[in-house]
Amino acid sequence: QKEVEQNSGPLSVPEGAIASLNCTYSDRGSQSFFWYRQYSGKSPELIMFIYSNGDKEDGRFTAQLNKASQYVSLLIRDSQPSDSATYLCAVIGNQGGKLIFGQGTELSVKP
Amino acid sequence: KAGVTQTPRYLIKTRGQQVTLSCSPISGHRSVSWYQQTPGQGLQFLFEYFSETQRNKGNFPGRFSGRQFSNSRSEMNVSTLELGDSALYLCASSLGRVPGNSPLHFGNGTRLTVT
Repeated sequence: QKEVEQNSGPLSVPEGAIASLNCTYSDRGSQSFFWYRQYSGKSPELIMFIYSNGDKEDGRFTAQLNKASQYVSLLIRDSQPSDSATYLCAVIGNQGGKLIFGQGTELSVKP
Repeated sequence: KAGVTQTPRYLIKTRGQQVTLSCSPISGHRSVSWYQQTPGQGLQFLFEYFSETQRNKGNFPGRFSGRQFSNSRSEMNVSTLELGDSALYLCASSLGRVPGNSPLHFGNGTRLTVT
């Protein structure tokens, strides 16, 4: 089992729709969870981080964390073509300091 | 505030050679992490340094090594290069006092091609 697993992509949504990106992790002791966005040919950039169970909202983005289910998700409301990128889920496990990334989900927002 | 700076941006080396990559973190950041990114394996953790000490290490062979200087700048070295080492090498910095409590900020990466 991979330490961090994401939806296999690509995920295609129409402009204005909600994009839902999912991620599961294997280390039950994980404490910190991050979502990064990576445009083609660019380096990852941080979108959101979440440490506590529940929802965290930032503009059009909402991160959701359920530690009991070992599940973290990212919702993008009112999706725009500029949101088209690969979204990477990353988790810091119990040992700390070592940020483990999922394979990423490619999102395509169609005008 | 300047971001994470990696040099060089591109490198072409031949098998058997060695290479050194450089990373300057964001001012005030004391933790530097290195990642290898390939299409097949995604982003894989190499190692993390904090205050000149290696704090975490990934599952890479001993050919991959690194160090951090007193000004928090870091270098990564790969010896006896293999074709499979061709990848984008990303450096990321964070405040890092407590591992995992501050987000990573990535540099633009060094694209290494081994022929």
